[in-house]
Amino acid sequence: AQRVTQPEKLLSVFKGAPVELKCNYSYSGSPELFWYVQYSRQRLQLLLRHISRESIKGFTADLNKGETSFHLKKPFAQEEDSAMYYCALRAAAGGTSYGKLTFGQGTILTVHP
Amino acid sequence: DTGVSQDPRHKITKRGQNVTFRCDPISEHNRLYWYRQTLGQGPEFLTYFQNEAQLEKSRLLSDRFSAERPKGSFSTLEIQRTEQGDSAMYLCASSLAGTGDEQFFGPGTRLTVL
Repeated sequence: AQRVTQPEKLLSVFKGAPVELKCNYSYSGSPELFWYVQYSRQRLQLLLRHISRESIKGFTADLNKGETSFHLKKPFAQEEDSAMYYCALRAAAGGTSYGKLTFGQGTILTVHP
Repeated sequence: DTGVSQDPRHKITKRGQNVTFRCDPISEHNRLYWYRQTLGQGPEFLTYFQNEAQLEKSRLLSDRFSAERPKGSFSTLEIQRTEQGDSAMYLCASSLAGTGDEQFFGPGTRLTVL
């Protein structure tokens, strides 16, 4: 079974402070991990995926298979980062259940001025 | 092409009625997904299609739910004999297989069952 856990429902930081949104997963196979973001009144959109190893809008996330984690980090938060963030897992291509995303419950990030 | 579209955006119905939602994917995308999201939760997978074939269905998809994608383009999700527990946001997403398969989401249809 696939499971994604985001332990924090709410996270508040001040502008310029570092931010880390936690994500832990459970999956017996080889997973692909994603972070999706939903800004106010906008649709869900992909922020980044672990296989790309990119930094998007200053955010990075490293897949730690030993700790089964995929935490999202940004060294200096901006007010425009305020949004709902979802961690998601998908079976790697060729694996069973490839295609569907399993989402965590989400973390609401608020960045105060 | 303005992305994935869903219709209607909001639906209020009485318990026991049938409802149907439509999703139009990005035109060249061959995969289409349905998810359901209840308050305070992340989206939960319901089903997905590759072209017109329904490849996977979640156990969440009871006998009252049916989804179709008859020509491999738009899809419909029908809920028969709605129950109050069906109240949720229904999200559609589409992707193009073989290109990283990024799922692009629609705005959702919010269903309220009275």
